[in-house]
Parts: sequence; structure tokens; C-alpha cells
Amino acid sequence: GNSVTQMEGPVTLSEEAFLTINCTYTATGYPSLFWYVQYPGEGLQLLLKATKADDKGSNKGFEATYRKETTSFHLEKGSVQVSDSAVYFCALPGNTDKLIFGTGTRLQVFP
Amino acid sequence: EPEVTQTPSHQVTQMGQEVILRCVPISNHLYFYWYRQILGQKVEFLVSFYNNEISEKSEIFDDQFSVERPDGSNFTLKIRSTKLEDSAMYFCASRNLAGARNEQFFGPGTRLTVL
Repeated sequence: GNSVTQMEGPVTLSEEAFLTINCTYTATGYPSLFWYVQYPGEGLQLLLKATKADDKGSNKGFEATYRKETTSFHLEKGSVQVSDSAVYFCALPGNTDKLIFGTGTRLQVFP
Repeated sequence: EPEVTQTPSHQVTQMGQEVILRCVPISNHLYFYWYRQILGQKVEFLVSFYNNEISEKSEIFDDQFSVERPDGSNFTLKIRSTKLEDSAMYFCASRNLAGARNEQFFGPGTRLTVL
């Protein structure tokens, strides 16, 4: 079945540093891909999505490109802020309509 | 902007007790889900619900669990006899028919602590 693998955390960065969080997937066909974010003490929020190969999802300065050649959907941001500190989850649909999540990557940004 | 709401935000219960977690999905949504996240672990699918019946359930969702949509707005998850290992954050999610495939909107979660 479909699955997703995410890089281990925590990722610790200084403010304004460049961020990459790796995500690779295994899937039948070309499902939509998602990044969700969980801020401390809060629920899951959709950060961005891409619905087909070569699409780039973007939101709040974050970007991720759906790359079928490398089966990847890496999350990037050019200049992180302290307020970006959160746990980031890569996700894709299973063979039905449930979402399958990666293990989550904790990002800690220090001033 | 419409959002999924969940109550309570935190529930503490004794092992063996029944708990009901409540969710109000976004009003025009038709597909409803429960997920859980044990502390520090990944988010896991429990159950999906559509047209007043369960569409799919995971192996976690055993006979101790049930879901119900008792009226036009609420969606509940009941755990009949809680175990210590049920301690987790429980997320409700919903999706509408016309949304991007599988884009689900999540509530803030209910933290369940079983003592």
C-alpha cells in the first residue's frame, strides 16, 4: 500500500536559515501529496498540497514540489522564523481515502 | 472561515470507563474521520464515515470503539471501556465532496488521558 517516509528530527536552525525537510513516498498512481503542520499545543493544519506531478505547493513562504522521478515532496523555506517552530507531517492518501502520515519532523528555530 | 471543532479539549478518565469524544465537522462536509496520535508518535487513521455508516476502519478500531452521527452536526467517537494505551490525542477531520481529493480539515484535537 501507499506509504511515506520522512526525515527524523529534530531539526534545529537559527532564524533566517534555509530549511529542508525530506519526504519520499511510495504510491500506486499519482495521489495528491500534503504537508500538515502542528504548532505547539494545537491540532493539524494543512500547510500546502500538490495534486499532480510537477506541481508546486506553497504557503507562508514554504514550498514543496511533487517530483515523480524521485518520488519526493521535500518541504523547503528560504528563511525560517521562530514562529515556524512546530512539527511538520508529510501525508498522502492510502488506497482508500484515509490519510497516511509520516512520523513527523520537529523543527526548532532559535533567534 | 469554517472550522472543525472538538470537545472537550482534554478528558481525563479512569481505566474501564466509557468516554465520548465530540466533533462538529464543517457544515457542508460529507466525509468524516477520526485519527489518533499517541504522544510523540505518528498520526494514525482510526475510522472513516460517510452516508451514516463506516466506510473503513483500521485494526486499531476494535469492538471497544464506535462512531455515531446522532444529528446533523455532531460526530462522536465512543470508547466503551478505556485502556491505558488509549491515552492519546484524538483528531476529528472532515472533507467535502467537491474539495481537492483527500484534502481533510482537522479539528484541534481532544487529549485523552486514561489513568
